[in-house]
Amino acid sequence: QVQLVQSGAEVKKPGASVKVSCKASGYTFTSYDINWVRQATGQGLEWMGWMNPNSGNTGYAQKFQGRVTMTRNTSISTAYMELSSLRSEDTAVYYCARVDTAMVTADYWGQGTLVTVSS
Amino acid sequence: QSALTQPASVSGSPGQSITISCTGTSSDVGSYNLVSWYQQHPGKAPKLMIYEVSKRPSGVSNRFSGSKSGNTASLTISGLQAEDEADYYCCSYAGSSTFVFGTGTKVTVL
Repeated sequence: QVQLVQSGAEVKKPGASVKVSCKASGYTFTSYDINWVRQATGQGLEWMGWMNPNSGNTGYAQKFQGRVTMTRNTSISTAYMELSSLRSEDTAVYYCARVDTAMVTADYWGQGTLVTVSS
Repeated sequence: QSALTQPASVSGSPGQSITISCTGTSSDVGSYNLVSWYQQHPGKAPKLMIYEVSKRPSGVSNRFSGSKSGNTASLTISGLQAEDEADYYCCSYAGSSTFVFGTGTKVTVL
């Protein structure tokens, strides 16, 4: 069965960086895009960007341009999202999601990773 | 890219039908028949309920249906059940592999 398992919660200081991992199993990792979505406490879902695990190509929401980097290690079927220059407003649960390019939708999601930014 | 507009809350009694709207622009909802709907229970990851405006993934109840007219998409839940109480988000493809989410709607079963 398709599974996306994310790394554990993180606590970071303002100005630091965080790198969240998303390990895929149950399907061919390079056949589906991985998107990242975040959700601040009590707030809505916010799309951050996408990565094609086959080519490594990426695209980021304008809001995160220059601060986010999405990468992958195909040998271990793992995607990564790194966010730099953290500020308190970045405190949120970060989700990875598999995007079926035929359906153009995120059909499987990771369990989420809470990133807390606090001094 | 601005978030799609959804009502903050919708409520209904068990057995009733409710409809949640999702209003975007001609650059997202209006341009593509690629609107999805997600259900999210507290503390859980979103779950795909509808994709490509009106298609249901395997395993999703046929009580959930979707439609679109112009720049507005809609999700209808018929025969409302207690387990349907959750937050619902629409999401539209916006071109160039980008997506935009709705503001979210809290569904309350009275």
